[in-house]
Formats: sequence, C-alpha cells, structure tokens
Amino acid sequence: GESVGLHLPTLSVQEGDNSIINCAYSNSASDYFIWYKQESGKGPQFIIDIRSNMDKRQGQRVTVLLNKTVKHLSLQIAATQPGDSAVYFCAETLSGGSYIPTFGRGTSLIVHP
Amino acid sequence: GAVVSQHPSRVICKSGTSVKIECRSLDFQATTMFWYRQFPKQSLMLMATSNEGSKATYEQGVEKDKFLINHASLTLSTLTVTSAHPEDSSFYICSARDWGQIGEAFFGQGTRLTVV
Repeated sequence: GESVGLHLPTLSVQEGDNSIINCAYSNSASDYFIWYKQESGKGPQFIIDIRSNMDKRQGQRVTVLLNKTVKHLSLQIAATQPGDSAVYFCAETLSGGSYIPTFGRGTSLIVHP
Repeated sequence: GAVVSQHPSRVICKSGTSVKIECRSLDFQATTMFWYRQFPKQSLMLMATSNEGSKATYEQGVEKDKFLINHASLTLSTLTVTSAHPEDSSFYICSARDWGQIGEAFFGQGTRLTVV
C-alpha cells in the first residue's frame, strides 16, 4: 500500500453526493483486495472485497474498481450519508496460505448534512 | 458474519507494568490471527502474525520480547505488552481468519492502551 504518512487525506462531501476514495497498492502479486471502514475508536469493518480476476464489484451503495495495470483501487459510495463518515482503508494481500493484509494510508471521509 | 472479540477495550497502566490483551474468535476457529498497532490518524501497522500452536512471526522492527504473543488455541490469541512505557501507548487491534476461509479476516474492536 501507500506509505504511511502523518496526516490522512480528507474527502469532504455533501449528503447525497457520490464519493470516490482512491488507493494505490504496491505489490503487483497481490490478488485479493479489501476495503474497510473504521469509525473513531473502533476496529476496521469490512465493506467489500475484490479478487484480481475481476475489475469491478458492486455491493449495496458501494462499488470497488480495480485497475491492475496501474495498481489502483477505488471505492465508490453512492448517495453518501452522514453515517458514512469514517476513515476508509484499502488492504492488499495474497489469498490462501500467504494471506497477510497490508493496509494503505487511509482516507478520512467527512459527510456534511 | 464472524465475530472477533477483543478485551479490554481500554486500559490504563503504570509505566513498568505489563498488560495483556485478549483476542477471541467467537463463532469460528482461527488458525491465524494478526496483531496491529495504530497511532492517531495513521494506518494500521502489522506487528505480528500468530499461528495456533506455533511461534508468532514478527514484523521487522517489532521487539519480540516486548510484545509477547501467544496463540494457544484456535479461538484465543493474547498480546502482552511487557514493561510498558508511555511510548507504547497506542490503539492495538487484532484480526482473525477463519479456518479454511479464503475471504477476509475479521477485526476486533481494538484496545486503547494508555501508559502513564
């Protein structure tokens, strides 16, 4: 993932807007990617995952896009709600027995009512 | 979904004492558990990977004697911060992966450690 920095990037949106959160990963051998949501003082919560044999996966109000050519991952949240305000992390890993997720830098999403 | 319980959620201890944090998989067997450390406004940093019945694999720069990890059963891993100092104050998070599961690991609620 991206190098860990001292400050999280912040994305501010209005309620009802669509949000796009981006992530660059580092290991071209990674074949499994996960997006997590972390609220203040809590552990990460699984949102959606995608395997390297796919380039798009949709969930409820969320879509993950994977571009292996440029090692880029994005999370799209439709009709963003105040409850979506949190820090979002992408994680990359090898699946199977070599599963050790490495977390990206994280993006703080702030949704204004 | 699978539940991972981490205890305690918050702990304050005096400098020089040791603190044990427990991570339990409540409804599945976890052959592998991961321990992370997170500083404010930063990402999760993997400290070690814990496999049931064997020694933990520590990431580079993590002191094995400082952060003792025990994974004695398929549902419990513990992290003991020994001789804690104020710089050990952090948010510690565990995650566990289901036996035979090819999907994601599930995370505990985290433990806020404050060393005074």
